[in-house]
Amino acid sequence: SQTIHQWPATLVQPVGSPLSLECTVEGTSNPNLYWYRQAAGRGLQLLFYSVGIGQISSEVPQNLSASRPQDRQFILSSKKLLLSDSGFYLCAWKGGLAGVGRTGELFFGEGSRLTVL
Amino acid sequence: RKEVEQDPGPFNVPEGATVAFNCTYSNSASQSFFWYRQDCRKEPKLLMSVYSSGNEDGRFTAQLNRASQYISLLIRDSKLSDSATYLCVVNRGSARQLTFGSGTQLTVLP
Repeated sequence: SQTIHQWPATLVQPVGSPLSLECTVEGTSNPNLYWYRQAAGRGLQLLFYSVGIGQISSEVPQNLSASRPQDRQFILSSKKLLLSDSGFYLCAWKGGLAGVGRTGELFFGEGSRLTVL
Repeated sequence: RKEVEQDPGPFNVPEGATVAFNCTYSNSASQSFFWYRQDCRKEPKLLMSVYSSGNEDGRFTAQLNRASQYISLLIRDSKLSDSATYLCVVNRGSARQLTFGSGTQLTVLP
């Protein structure tokens, strides 16, 4: 079965420090992968998506970057965090292929809650 | 105007009540629609897709009105376990074009 994991689950970082969030997917190959951010009281905002190794599309200009060094690994990074980077970060992969999930269904990781102080 | 708008609530209802949520979307080119459920401090999970003819899954009924550009979710016989935030999601054609509403918070009271 397909699973998705992301870590760390919680982190508190000072302004100006670097960030690395990691996401891995198991049980599927060549998944479409996504990074979302959910700020308090707001909807999910798509940050990056990737259709394959080394292929990253950025949806909004920001202080963050993403990389996909392996087929089932997706990393979200920042060199210098801002206060506005605080939020709940969610990695997801898209189902609907090979009978997994329903068309358009996104499967989310457990999320990483970032607080920038 | 937001692309997807929901009443944030909170909706506080007693067990056994029927509750309905509405969601409006602004882009008439939207093609598919979903309701996700998100428990407190957890990741969202798909509750149900919304089909043009309306669809039912147990106590949950979803409806789509393309002319008025809104979708709805009806929950009958509410359970304590239904307490969560319900996210309306609209798709313009690909997963990168999924737009999430900010969610409607439901609390079912004993």
